[in-house]
Parts: sequence; structure tokens; C-alpha cells
Amino acid sequence: GEDVEQSLFLSVREGDSSVINCTYTDSSSTYLYWYKQEPGAGLQLLTYIFSNMDMKQDQRLTVLLNKKDKHLSLRIADTQTGDSAIYFCAERNAGNNRKLIWGLGTSLAVNP
Amino acid sequence: DTAVSQTPKYLVTQMGNDKSIKCEQNLGHDTMYWYKQDSKKFLKIMFSYNNKELIINETVPNRFSPKSPDKAHLNLHINSLELGDSAVYFCASTPGQDINEQFFGPGTRLTVL
Repeated sequence: GEDVEQSLFLSVREGDSSVINCTYTDSSSTYLYWYKQEPGAGLQLLTYIFSNMDMKQDQRLTVLLNKKDKHLSLRIADTQTGDSAIYFCAERNAGNNRKLIWGLGTSLAVNP
Repeated sequence: DTAVSQTPKYLVTQMGNDKSIKCEQNLGHDTMYWYKQDSKKFLKIMFSYNNKELIINETVPNRFSPKSPDKAHLNLHINSLELGDSAVYFCASTPGQDINEQFFGPGTRLTVL
């Protein structure tokens, strides 16, 4: 079945780069998403990538997609304490446009 | 402010009670969702409505009944509350039926004692 996996925790120092990884099983994925959830808040879309792209950059965020290995990563450059949050990877596949398959979320802790 | 809003933000109640959570979006979106997030932060879709029509109904106990009076509102009624219903419930919306960017509400933290 469809599955999205992420490591649960990541700890980095302020100013370093963070790399959050995600793997998925569905080869018919069309879009892959990164959502951010700050403490006590709802999820917010950070960025997304279409499956025919390898990379997408948006200011401090870089998304890399390796479709062959079904691996998605989110790199945050110059990580700040305000980046401390849970980051969810999600995928949408061609077979079902109506819902996303969600990972369990990676909790990013940024230490001063 | 344009947003997805939920009421109440916190709900504490006894086992066996019946409660409702309300959601409203003023984004003009056609599709709305209810998600449950458990204590481990696992996010599970429960229901989705498109223009007042139910389009997703995941494996959810029938004690949970969604109701969409119009496309801007999606409420969730829960009968006979159980301890395991304690979670944060998020409402979300998207412009059309095909899911793309979802806009989430701030969540309702339900605690069943």
C-alpha cells in the first residue's frame, strides 16, 4: 500500500543547515509536499514539488526529489530558532487526487 | 481576516457526552476536511466534503457524524465520547475537489475525561 516515512526527530544548531528526509512507496506520485506545524497551530504549506522536477528552491528552502529512489528531502539553510516545528511530508498520487498520504512528521529542534 | 476558523479551541468533556466542533472558511473554497491528530502527532483524514457532498469517508466510528450546511461550513458531531477520542481535530479546505494546497484551521483540542 501507499506509505510515507520520515525520521521522527532532528536536532541542529542555530545557523547550521537542516536536512529533513522522506521516503515514499507510490511510484505514481504526482505532487509531493512539505507542511510545517508550529507548536499549538495548524499545518501550513511550506513548499511542494511536481514529480517531474528534481529540485525546487525558495529562499532558504531547497527541495530535492530523487524519483528513482522515491526520496524527498527538505533543506533549510541558516536554520533559525523560529524554524523549530514539526515538518510533514505528504504525497498525492495519480490514483487518488482527493487526499494526501501523510508521513508521521519530523520534529525539528533548533538549539541556540 | 481570510482563514479557516474552528470553535471551540479547547473542549474538555466527560466520557459518554455528545459534543460538536464547528469549522468555517471564508476563502471561497469548495472542499473541506476533518483530520484527527493524535498525541504522537499522527495525522489521519476522517472526512471530506465538496460543495456539501461527502466525498471521503475513512474508517471512522459512526459516532462521528459530519454535517455541511453550506460549502463554507463543515461541522463535526461526536456521540458517546470515549477516552480514545481525545486528540486535536483540524479542519482544512482546498479550492477544488482535486487536492493541492490545503489551508488548515488552528485546531480543536478535545480532552475526554
